[in-house]
Amino acid sequence: DAGVTQSPTHLIKTRGQQVTLRCSPKSGHDTVSWYQQALGQGPQFIFQYYEEEERQRGNFPDRFSGHQFPNYSSELNVNALLLGDSALYLCASSPRDNEQFFGPGTRLTVL
Amino acid sequence: QKEVEQNSGPLSVPEGAIASLNCTYSDRGSQSFFWYRQYSGKSPELIMSIYSNGDKEDGRFTAQLNKASQYVSLLIRDSQPSDSATYLCAVTEDMRFGAGTRLTVKP
Repeated sequence: DAGVTQSPTHLIKTRGQQVTLRCSPKSGHDTVSWYQQALGQGPQFIFQYYEEEERQRGNFPDRFSGHQFPNYSSELNVNALLLGDSALYLCASSPRDNEQFFGPGTRLTVL
Repeated sequence: QKEVEQNSGPLSVPEGAIASLNCTYSDRGSQSFFWYRQYSGKSPELIMSIYSNGDKEDGRFTAQLNKASQYVSLLIRDSQPSDSATYLCAVTEDMRFGAGTRLTVKP
């Protein structure tokens, strides 16, 4: 049984560009959450998707948007990239309101 | 502002000792608490969940929850060098993580 998968593994962009990160949840999980983790910090919650709707959102600007597909996979889009967006982006999946399991993450570097 | 606080460490213990990791949270309504382990350069890995006051044991790990005092702790018995990692406390309702405590177990 495959766990949570994310793509790409690493990504380098320049300021002002846009990026899309992808996540496939663990089999049987219908809820996907996205987190941003800066070096030396704990994960910061961006948003959560359930039944293709954004269910909860953290304190991130509208430049961060997402989508969930009928097969429960999800995308995170970030527009107008800033240097401060450089971080590890983590996707976590769960059965609704239950334990979250993390994917390996996507390391985004903004130059 | 709802907060989850952890001592950043580093916490250093000798091999075979008990490592004690602590976490406090500000939202009295929180019901679900989790401990994750994160090795350097890797993603967080779920160790334990706890929902009720008291202790919950799983192998060498024991989670303790005290809702009245708003703290949750993780004890690691017979610590091994492979336990060296950052330990993250999470409160699920708020999707909040602490900044993590870095643990080093010395042989």
